[in-house]
Amino acid sequence: EAQVTQNPRYLITVTGKKLTVTCSQNMNHEYMSWYRQDPGLGLRQIYYSMNVEVTDKGDVPEGYKVSRKEKRNFPLILESPSPNQTSLYFCATTRGGGAGTEAFFGQGTRLTVV
Amino acid sequence: AQKVTQAQTEISVVEKEDVTLDCVYETRDTTYYLFWYKQPPSGELVFLIRRNSFDEQNEISGRYSWNFQKSTSSFNFTITASQVVDSAVYFCALRGGMNAGNMLTFGGGTRLMVKP
Repeated sequence: EAQVTQNPRYLITVTGKKLTVTCSQNMNHEYMSWYRQDPGLGLRQIYYSMNVEVTDKGDVPEGYKVSRKEKRNFPLILESPSPNQTSLYFCATTRGGGAGTEAFFGQGTRLTVV
Repeated sequence: AQKVTQAQTEISVVEKEDVTLDCVYETRDTTYYLFWYKQPPSGELVFLIRRNSFDEQNEISGRYSWNFQKSTSSFNFTITASQVVDSAVYFCALRGGMNAGNMLTFGGGTRLMVKP
């Protein structure tokens, strides 16, 4: 079964404590992305990766890091989380770079930074 | 820059009513795709439909229908005979052809509440 798996699903943390949200896919897709969802703003892309060791900034990259050491994994790293990073986060994958390719989303990670 | 606007932030209807969710977009790309996603209370994103910029045919899938009008840059979504299970947040999204990050640009979402 095609899956995009995020962990954890829920996380409450304190300001400044480094955290990592993992994303793993079993579809051998080249493209992976992270989005954050905020009320009234929809989803906005944070970072994306076109393949192993190839990453770049999306629309809202400040305060985040990513890495792509293996094709299946694309972790999102918050080195020093702040309350304005409280959000619902989604990992997404697509097979290629075509505009019409369907994106597969993980279940979401609800992060609260206090 | 691309932009998607869903002017209706929240809609409330009574079961069996028809409801239309509006989506207006802006893009300079000549080739682009439009999408609708459903986010039920459980939080996951469910893909509903994809439409490319060269295909203006309306589409119907059961109680769902979509009206794409390039002249008004709109891609509206109608649910006929709404049901309680249709209660969710619905997102319209756009992806342009010239898009290195394969980024989807989302509207702010419309929360639909269907009351029994």
